[in-house]
Amino acid sequence: SQTIHQWPATLVQPVGSPLSLECTVEGTSNPNLYWYRQAAGRGLQLLFYSVGIGQISSEVPQNLSASRPQDRQFILSSKKLLLSDSGFYLCAYLLEGTGELFFGEGSRLTVL
Amino acid sequence: SQELEQSPQSLIVQEGKNLTINCTSSKTLYGLYWYKQKYGEGLIFLMMLQKGGEEKSHEKITAKLDEKKQQSSLHITASQPSHAGIYLCGADKGNQFYFGTGTSLTVIP
Repeated sequence: SQTIHQWPATLVQPVGSPLSLECTVEGTSNPNLYWYRQAAGRGLQLLFYSVGIGQISSEVPQNLSASRPQDRQFILSSKKLLLSDSGFYLCAYLLEGTGELFFGEGSRLTVL
Repeated sequence: SQELEQSPQSLIVQEGKNLTINCTSSKTLYGLYWYKQKYGEGLIFLMMLQKGGEEKSHEKITAKLDEKKQQSSLHITASQPSHAGIYLCGADKGNQFYFGTGTSLTVIP
């Protein structure tokens, strides 16, 4: 069966510091992968999605970047964090043929 | 981008009461998905609707998609504290998957 993991679960970082959030999927090959951000417990904003290794599509211009160095690994990064980067970040993969997204446990980032 | 508006933004109901959450799209939907999120956790898939007029039920939750495939409603019958959380509608557009603005539900015992 497929599983998805994110880490770290919680992160407190100073403004200007770098960021790396990692997401890995098991039990599936070549999944579509997604990074979302949720602010103030509201709707999810799609940040990046990837349909394959090295293929990244960005939805909104921002201080963040994403990479997919391996088929089942998706990384969200920043070189210098801003206060506005605080939020709850969720990684997800698409279960092929169903249209159903499976989400990781989420990573809560607080930038001080 | 696909825009999905949900209403109401938040809802507080007494246990046992019925409630409805709405999701409206500015464009015709190919597929409409409902998810539930416990506070501070990932999302859990509830239901997927694809055909105009389609209706699906799971336990006390019923979701409908209108004939024009631009509006969906989620109805909870006899709400329980376990129904509390954030409900989000979502839609796919090719490889992109968008979510609505979310509805926060509180159920008072």
